[in-house]
Amino acid sequence: DGGITQSPKYLFRKEGQNVTLSCEQNLNHDAMYWYRQDPGQGLRLIYYSQIVNDFQKGDIAEGYSVSREKKESFPLTVTSAQKNPTAFYLCASSTTAPNTGELFFGEGSRLTVL
Amino acid sequence: AQSVTQLGSHVSVSEGALVLLRCNYSSSVPPYLFWYVQYPNQGLQLLLKYTTGATLVKGINGFEAEFKKSETSFHLTKPSAHMSDAAEYFCAVSRINNRKLIWGLGTSLAVNP
Repeated sequence: DGGITQSPKYLFRKEGQNVTLSCEQNLNHDAMYWYRQDPGQGLRLIYYSQIVNDFQKGDIAEGYSVSREKKESFPLTVTSAQKNPTAFYLCASSTTAPNTGELFFGEGSRLTVL
Repeated sequence: AQSVTQLGSHVSVSEGALVLLRCNYSSSVPPYLFWYVQYPNQGLQLLLKYTTGATLVKGINGFEAEFKKSETSFHLTKPSAHMSDAAEYFCAVSRINNRKLIWGLGTSLAVNP
């Protein structure tokens, strides 16, 4: 079945460590997104990519980095510069033709900083 | 700037009662509108969407929503709540210029036996 796979589902890290969250999709979608979710704050866009080897900052990109070397993959690195990294992270993808904005989501990764 | 407002961060209904979750948006032209559902510790799943055509949209699990341009609303309803409907519901509108989604803050639905 086509879909989006995020791993790991749960991740613990110590302060000062970088961590990378994996996101893989087999939907043949051009666009991919990373969102951060905190209780009561909805979804906030971190980074998005509409084509391989290109990506743009979202609303809260500071302390995060991404790469898009393959169409299927869009990993997110949470760096030590991110002051409050404990959150639920969601990866999503979408088609660009037609582009209605509809997103398909992975199951999420919950990061806890100890 | 476009925005989405979900009235009520928490809604509680009895099993079998009507579910009404409110969503209002601000937009100068009719946007594309979405409702997503999220169960605990899971990703979001599309319930229904309005792009063009009929303003009453039917989705999965018995939910429907009506696009009312004059009221700039896209409220979600279900005639009879089920225990399995307990979840977080998000309304979203796509930005006119680039179709990026603008999200409401979500409404947590509790269903009481």
